[in-house]
Amino acid sequence: EVQLVESGGDLVQPGGSLRLSCVASGFMFTDYSMNWVRQAPGKGLEWVSYISSSSANIFFGDSVKGRFIISRDNAKNSLYLQMTSLRAEDTAVYYCVRVSRATGTMDYWGQGTLVTVSS
Amino acid sequence: EIVLTQSPATLSLSPGERATLSCRASQSVSSYLAWFQQRPGQAPRLLIYDASNRATGVPARFSGSGSGTDFTLTIDSLEPEDFAVYYCHQRSNWPLTFGGGTKVEIK
Repeated sequence: EVQLVESGGDLVQPGGSLRLSCVASGFMFTDYSMNWVRQAPGKGLEWVSYISSSSANIFFGDSVKGRFIISRDNAKNSLYLQMTSLRAEDTAVYYCVRVSRATGTMDYWGQGTLVTVSS
Repeated sequence: EIVLTQSPATLSLSPGERATLSCRASQSVSSYLAWFQQRPGQAPRLLIYDASNRATGVPARFSGSGSGTDFTLTIDSLEPEDFAVYYCHQRSNWPLTFGGGTKVEIK
């Protein structure tokens, strides 16, 4: 069974930093590209970042470019999101999402971890 | 950036009725469009990929159609568990984008 378990969400002050983690199981993590997608309270979905299976290709949404870093450790079946210069508008549930090798579509989502940016 | 516009924002229907949800893209996304369902307090779930293909385990009452800029998600005969928010999503161009969502609520 595919499982994606996020952690690291917390209350942080504006301008602060936070590192999110996602541990994958039930599939060959090393073979799959991954995304982070976020959802502000009561709002819709917003794509944050993408990383290919080998980390060769990385993309970011404009709202986080230059502030967030995505990385992965295939030996640990883990995906990371390093967030810096956090703003109130970064407050959201952050989901770790797998990209299907067969279809190229996001197929499995974790349950998310809540990041709250507030003083 | 490709903007996806979903309509209506809210759809009020009774169980057993048909739901028709629309997603319009600001430029062609070919068939690289997916639909997700999100129930309250849960993570999104993939329903349809590449415009018209049902994901594994998705009931046959869900169907998708369209290509280019206009897409439709149809739910035949709504079940109680289908009342949720539905999002369309394009993977044709970076940045990846989602529509604003359509809430299907019980009338």
